[in-house]
Amino acid sequence: EAQVTQNPRYLITVTGKKLTVTCSQNMNHEYMSWYRQDPGLGLRQIYYSMNVEVTDKGDVPEGYKVSRKEKRNFPLILESPSPNQTSLYFCASSSRGHNEQFFGPGTRLTVL
Amino acid sequence: AQSVTQLGSHVSVSEGALVLLRCNYSSSVPPYLFWYVQYPNQGLQLLLKYTSAATLVKGINGFEAEFKKSETSFHLTKPSAHMSDAAEYFCAVSKGGSYIPTFGRGTSLIVHP
Repeated sequence: EAQVTQNPRYLITVTGKKLTVTCSQNMNHEYMSWYRQDPGLGLRQIYYSMNVEVTDKGDVPEGYKVSRKEKRNFPLILESPSPNQTSLYFCASSSRGHNEQFFGPGTRLTVL
Repeated sequence: AQSVTQLGSHVSVSEGALVLLRCNYSSSVPPYLFWYVQYPNQGLQLLLKYTSAATLVKGINGFEAEFKKSETSFHLTKPSAHMSDAAEYFCAVSKGGSYIPTFGRGTSLIVHP
């Protein structure tokens, strides 16, 4: 089954404790991206990648890191999480061109 | 820079009534436009997509959208709302070399019995 998977689905952590949210897709897509969803603000792009070893900042990259060492994986790293990073996070992938994005199920992160 | 504006954070309709969700974009070149739907506790899924082949685009679940260049709009409609249509709807735009779309703030559709 074609899908984007994210882990964990739910995470409660404390300020400053490094964490990684994994994202994997099995569709051989070139493009992958991370979004955060907050009430009233919609989806805001954090980082995106158009190919292996190619990443770029989105609209709200501060406090986040990403890497794209393999085509299928695009982990999101929070080196020192803060409460304002409490949010619902989505990973998405798409094939080359202006094509449909396939979204993961989301990761709900709470930083205390 | 491209941007998307969705008018109305909430739209409430009665079951069987017309659904109209508004989306306006800003773009100096022909854009690619999308509508996505997010059901409660789920990720987003594509409803429909405009790629310049036709100005009226039909999507899943009876939804359609019309691209109007003169108005820079891409409003989503459905003739008759169903309870199962209650969800969050997002308009998105991508253009040129930026293949990762920019999303609007979303419109929550509420359907009353």
